[in-house]
Amino acid sequence: EIVLTQSPGTLSLSPGERVTLSCRASQSVSSTYLAWYQQKPGQAPRLLIYDASSRATGIPDRFSGSGSGTDFTLTIRRLEPEDFAVYYCQQYGSSPRTFGQGTKVEIK
Amino acid sequence: QIQLVESGGGVVQPGRSLRLSCAASGFTFTTYALHWVRQAPGKGLEWVAVISSNGNKNSYADSVKGRFTISRDNSKNTLYLQMNSLRDEDTGLYYCARDASRGSTWGPLDTWGQGSLVTVSS
Repeated sequence: EIVLTQSPGTLSLSPGERVTLSCRASQSVSSTYLAWYQQKPGQAPRLLIYDASSRATGIPDRFSGSGSGTDFTLTIRRLEPEDFAVYYCQQYGSSPRTFGQGTKVEIK
Repeated sequence: QIQLVESGGGVVQPGRSLRLSCAASGFTFTTYALHWVRQAPGKGLEWVAVISSNGNKNSYADSVKGRFTISRDNSKNTLYLQMNSLRDEDTGLYYCARDASRGSTWGPLDTWGQGSLVTVSS
């Protein structure tokens, strides 16, 4: 099983700041099959990034993903008020599919 | 619009069974694999199971293998999760989600339902 470790656990930031979230895999993720999701309180997760760096439909271009192998990053260029949420990475290249434990981005 | 709507959750005693349903609409159901993902209260996401578009292939997390069964009825555009021998640690919000890859089970999850709450308690 591939274990995904996200860091940091919580980030306290102000609107307008740049955010970098990390997702590290215990072994190489097949074919960069790595996704990022955003979840707000009381809502289902929303797909942001797939295949490590492709934005999902309707996702603003301030969100970008990068990485390969075991190290992946989600970057939010300038935080908007609606971006404060929990972010999860997920690998879907091997079974079982696994999620990271999440990073909470909160308002400072 | 594309929609997934879960139902069937509730309060159940340890050791008992429950069946969740997920009704799909707004897309060609037979084209996509489907997953169940759960979230314990205040915790992160845990992948549970996947079933292929034609129902011939499935896969499970070790934590539910042998107790849960994923199935689908393509004539009714409905996904199911039969949960047997329920444990306290199965408590959580159960989401169904669509696999974005057409024709395989190896894709990201691009559409999610709002979840169905399962509480296992005596």
